[in-house]
Amino acid sequence: EDQVTQSPEALRLQEGESSSLNCSYTVSGLRGLFWYRQDPGKGPEFLFTLYSAGEEKEKERLKATLTKKESFLHITAPKPEDSATYLCAVPSGFSGGYNKLIFGAGTRLAVHP
Amino acid sequence: DTEVTQTPKHLVMGMTNKKSLKCEQHMGHRAMYWYKQKAKKPPELMFVYSYEKLSINESVPSRFSPECPNSSLLNLHLHALQPEDSALYLCASSHMANSNQPQHFGDGTRLSIL
Repeated sequence: EDQVTQSPEALRLQEGESSSLNCSYTVSGLRGLFWYRQDPGKGPEFLFTLYSAGEEKEKERLKATLTKKESFLHITAPKPEDSATYLCAVPSGFSGGYNKLIFGAGTRLAVHP
Repeated sequence: DTEVTQTPKHLVMGMTNKKSLKCEQHMGHRAMYWYKQKAKKPPELMFVYSYEKLSINESVPSRFSPECPNSSLLNLHLHALQPEDSALYLCASSHMANSNQPQHFGDGTRLSIL
């Protein structure tokens, strides 16, 4: 069964304190891994897609990396506005050919001044 | 601002009411989705429309009735809901239902059932 596990569940950082979020996945035939950011009361905001091991994507203070078993979201010198829940998701094969998104439970990040 | 627009942002309804949630996208996507999200949980898939046809129904109770009038619009008709149906309802779209392109989400409708 396809699975996505995120850790830690919650992370508290001081402003400027760099850290990484982990997304471990088990899927038959990876067809991409997506990172989203979700603010309270809002929908998930798409951040990155990674398709193959070794691939990296960057956006401002965020960098996403991918191996054959997991993905990391590195946050460099975070600011309070980076506080959010970060979700990762993978498309899972489906009998009708549709790729159902399997989400991890998310990491709730709080960055304090 | 997201490219997927949902209305209303908030909805309070009684268990006997009938209401509808609306979703619109103008990205030329041919797949649209409804998700339900409870507090501190990830989104759960409810329905998938591909080329305006219902492709997936994730065993959702019949009190939820989706409709896709055209490739840009998606509705979710609600009737006789239960208190446990209170949640954030999210609409999403993607290039195609079987592609490996990401889904793009609206900001949702916060639904409260009295």
